[in-house]
Amino acid sequence: EIVMTQSPATLSVSPGERATLSCRASQSVSSNLAWYQQKPGQAPRLLIYGASTRATGIPARFSGSGSGTEFTLTISSLQSEDFAVYYCQQYNNWWTFGQGTKVEIK
Amino acid sequence: EVQLVESGGGLVQPGGSLRLSCAASGFIVSSNYMNWVRQAPGKGLEWVSVIYSGGSTYYADSVKGRFTISRDNSKNTLYLQMNSLRAEDTAVYYCARVSAGIEDAFDIWGQGTMVTVSS
Repeated sequence: EIVMTQSPATLSVSPGERATLSCRASQSVSSNLAWYQQKPGQAPRLLIYGASTRATGIPARFSGSGSGTEFTLTISSLQSEDFAVYYCQQYNNWWTFGQGTKVEIK
Repeated sequence: EVQLVESGGGLVQPGGSLRLSCAASGFIVSSNYMNWVRQAPGKGLEWVSVIYSGGSTYYADSVKGRFTISRDNSKNTLYLQMNSLRAEDTAVYYCARVSAGIEDAFDIWGQGTMVTVSS
């Protein structure tokens, strides 16, 4: 099983600031990596797939990068609606998720 | 509108059974890979099972032999039959679609249905 490790567990950011979230795979997943956003009481929402392609309707302030085992999700200027938990997911070998990074208001 | 709506969750005793349903609208279930994903209270996401468009099914080791994924094409509905339930199966269960064009990521999710396994 491919283990996905996200860091940090919690990120405290002020509105308007940049947020950088990391995700590491225990073995290469090529670019088969997605990012999801989940707000309390809601289902996850797909943000990024293919490591760097934004899903339909996702604002340009969300960007993804990386390949192999190291990936990054960047939110260029945090809006109030962006405070949430973010999960990475690999789909190179079945599907596994990271444990999540909570982005909270500083 | 493309939508998934789960139902069938509830409270069940350890060792019991439950069947979850996921009704789809706006697309054809049998034309896509359809998945179940669960989330234990306060925890992260865990992939549970997939049924491919061709009908092949696969399961996470944690549920293999106890859970069965299926679909009814006439009702455009996905199911998850859960048997021999354990306390550690307590979670919100989501159905999720893999759509052609977005690789194997999950582009549409249902709202989830809560399953509680407790005596």
